Amino acid sequence: DTGVSQDPRHKITKRGQNVTFRCDPISEHNRLYWYRQTLGQGPEFLTYFQNEAQLEKSRLLSDRFSAERPKGSFSTLEIQRTEQGDSAMYLCASSPDSILNTGELFFGEGSRLTVL
Amino acid sequence: GNSVTQMEGPVTLSEEAFLTINCTYTATGYPSLFWYVQYPGEGLQLLLKATKADDKGSNKGFEATYRKETTSFHLEKGSVQVSDSAVYFCALSVPMDSNYQLIWGAGTKLIIKP
Repeated sequence: DTGVSQDPRHKITKRGQNVTFRCDPISEHNRLYWYRQTLGQGPEFLTYFQNEAQLEKSRLLSDRFSAERPKGSFSTLEIQRTEQGDSAMYLCASSPDSILNTGELFFGEGSRLTVL
Repeated sequence: GNSVTQMEGPVTLSEEAFLTINCTYTATGYPSLFWYVQYPGEGLQLLLKATKADDKGSNKGFEATYRKETTSFHLEKGSVQVSDSAVYFCALSVPMDSNYQLIWGAGTKLIIKP
């Protein structure tokens, strides 16, 4: 399967713990995005990488959130000292860096976080 | 600013009924328009897209036409199936610096009853 993959699919944690999510984008895609989605809402943009460079971060991304893409391939999103309000689906998406790119994103299946 | 407004759900239909989910937008410049679908427990998938005015996107029996004069991109299907039950998101993208800004609607839940 050559789609975007995310791990883990589900994570249940206690408030105050740290969690890390991993995303493997489609191999030839230079751009990688993290979104957050809560029930009944559309995706909210968190951050964006072009290769290994983090080029944009949303104001939603508090100091407890950090994302990396060290070699321009897979990415990790870490949430420190989790709070109940962090409970959401965390979506990763990728897209090619091409003049033909019209903003279409290819999404993974998401990582659902539940903070107790 | 840029925004997307789509009809609130849930929309409940019987199998083989005609479907319309309305989507209107405001945008500067010339956006591309998308419909994404999210089946229960899954991530978002692109359903169809249109990149310029009067383009018609189509896939799996769904269609949507990019109407610049009415700033709309309504999703239609002539005969829905139970397997079409999902949440549908309308979205637009506009170029911004070296990237694209994606603006999402709130989603419309579709329930198809047998």
